[in-house]
Amino acid sequence: EAGVAQSPRYKIIEKRQSVAFWCNPISGHATLYWYQQILGQGPKLLIQFQNNGVVDDSQLPKDRFSAERLKGVDSTLKIQPAKLEDSAVYLCASNPNVGGYEQYFGPGTRLTVT
Amino acid sequence: QKEVEQNSGPLSVPEGAIASLNCTYSDRGSQSFFWYRQYSGKSPELIMFIYSNGDKEDGRFTAQLNKASQYVSLLIRDSQPSDSATYLCAVKKNSDYKLSFGAGTTVTVRA
Repeated sequence: EAGVAQSPRYKIIEKRQSVAFWCNPISGHATLYWYQQILGQGPKLLIQFQNNGVVDDSQLPKDRFSAERLKGVDSTLKIQPAKLEDSAVYLCASNPNVGGYEQYFGPGTRLTVT
Repeated sequence: QKEVEQNSGPLSVPEGAIASLNCTYSDRGSQSFFWYRQYSGKSPELIMFIYSNGDKEDGRFTAQLNKASQYVSLLIRDSQPSDSATYLCAVKKNSDYKLSFGAGTTVTVRA
């Protein structure tokens, strides 16, 4: 079974630029999560999708971050404009159903904002 | 008060010893508890979950839960160098579906 795919793996941008990350969850997984993990901290949930609907985006900075999951499969997370404090690893995870025990994480995208 | 707190590391143990990791949580509505292992530069992977008070054993790993004390721990017996990683405690409430993670405890097993 193929795992969660993410791209790019690394990205370096200057502040005020925009960036987009892509995630392809495990086939058939209905729930998709985007996390931000700042160095030395645990992952923080940014947004959770159930199929193509948003379940929780309470911690998403909506003035600069946006996410979508068209057709309930792939998802993109965008930051516009980026700030220095957005430097982090962005992790995508998926789960077969809402509330399931295990979330399967992708390899992450390491973003550096200079 | 942070939602999930873990004992500060790093924790250094000799090979073959027991590594003990602690986690406390603030919300009494929390129902499910998870331990993830994260190797440096890698993504988290689930190693244990527990939702009933008491102990749960899986190989060299034992999770312990005490809901009255709002405390969950992970014991790693016969620690191996391959256990060197950051261990993340995560907590889920039944009322929602998100995981709240602690900051992690870094374990180093000395050969």
